[in-house]
Amino acid sequence: GAVVSQHPSWVICKSGTSVKIECRSLDFQATTMFWYRQFPKQSLMLMATSNEGSKATYEQGVEKDKFLINHASLTLSTLTVTSAHPEDSSFYICSARVPYEQYFGPGTRLTVT
Amino acid sequence: AQSVTQLDSQVPVFEEAPVELRCNYSSSVSVYLFWYVQYPNQGLQLLLKYLSGSTLVKGINGFEAEFNKSQTSFHLRKPSVHISDTAEYFCAVSDLDNQGGKLIFGQGTELSVKP
Repeated sequence: GAVVSQHPSWVICKSGTSVKIECRSLDFQATTMFWYRQFPKQSLMLMATSNEGSKATYEQGVEKDKFLINHASLTLSTLTVTSAHPEDSSFYICSARVPYEQYFGPGTRLTVT
Repeated sequence: AQSVTQLDSQVPVFEEAPVELRCNYSSSVSVYLFWYVQYPNQGLQLLLKYLSGSTLVKGINGFEAEFNKSQTSFHLRKPSVHISDTAEYFCAVSDLDNQGGKLIFGQGTELSVKP
């Protein structure tokens, strides 16, 4: 089946630094990828839609200058959390879209100290 | 706009008992419906999906769900649960115009299977 990977699986960074998270579709191409954020014991909140070769579409309330998304190829999308703060600590999950379905990555746990 | 309501935040059940996780949706257009499972600190795995056709959908791990358009429901069932089914379950909806693109998730139901 289709596999989506994320790297790193967990990361700890200091407040004020930037962190990049990679999302890769390993055995298929995806023109569209999605980025979600999940707080403990809560549902997934869609942050943005990442389209290969074009600018990402952000959901209302998501700061596009803070969460930079780049979809450089049909198998790779990156999320960069800039000037991270403790409130950015969360579980970030990506997914890759195929017709009528999304395949999800294993998630990245970000802790900002 | 679409929305999804999972009626139970937690469902405790004993091993080998049947279980039903309830999901209701709201949408002004026709939709696709999904159930995902999430184990601790992991991503989401698709259990089953309804796109069209038969309203009874069978998925992996012995789960099934029934689409009821008149009641706008898509409840998930399993006749006999195992300890390994302990996880968080999410119901999700996507509108047909979007070709299964953007997903709207329910709040999640924590299934806890006890021996």
